[in-house]
Amino acid sequence: QKEVEQNSGPLSVPEGAIASLNCTYSDRGSQSFFWYRQYSGKSPELIMSIYSNGDKEDGRFTAQLNKASQYVSLLIRDSQPSDSATYLCAVNVRNNDMRFGAGTRLTVKP
Amino acid sequence: NAGVMQNPRHLVRRRGQEARLRCSPMKGHSHVYWYRQLPEEGLKFMVYLQKENIIDESGMPKERFSAEFPKEGPSILRIQQVVRGDSAAYFCASSLQTGGNQPQHFGDGTRLSIL
Repeated sequence: QKEVEQNSGPLSVPEGAIASLNCTYSDRGSQSFFWYRQYSGKSPELIMSIYSNGDKEDGRFTAQLNKASQYVSLLIRDSQPSDSATYLCAVNVRNNDMRFGAGTRLTVKP
Repeated sequence: NAGVMQNPRHLVRRRGQEARLRCSPMKGHSHVYWYRQLPEEGLKFMVYLQKENIIDESGMPKERFSAEFPKEGPSILRIQQVVRGDSAAYFCASSLQTGGNQPQHFGDGTRLSIL
């Protein structure tokens, strides 16, 4: 079983819709969870972090964490074409060590 | 620029040569991570280092690859006797020393091409 799993996509949503990105992880001891965005040919950039069960909102982004289900998600409201990118889920597996999912490619169509 | 600095941005080598990739972490960061990314694929963890110590090298190929993070100077990822399959983007990331909740911040990467 992979440590961090994501649907590779591609996920396509119309402009203005909600994009929902999902991630599951295998290590029950994981405490820190991150979402990165990576544009084609660029480096990953951190967009959200979440540490506690529930929702965390930052602008159009909402991260959701359910440790019992070992599940973390990212919602993007009012999706824009500029949101088109690959979204990487990352999980701390040990103190200061992190593993990434393969990423979900999102396309927002005007 | 206080971000993670990687150089060179692009590196071309012929088969059998050596490639050296450098990474200077963000100011104040003492943890460095190296990842490899093939086109259209995710980030593959290679190695995690702190100053003068390799903490986790479970993602490093057993041969030809090595990494160091000396007391002074940047972290170096070294690939000896490169082969075509080594062509990839290599990203370095760094994080703060304290706690397990610190995110990693990435450099712009080195694109390695093997002729």
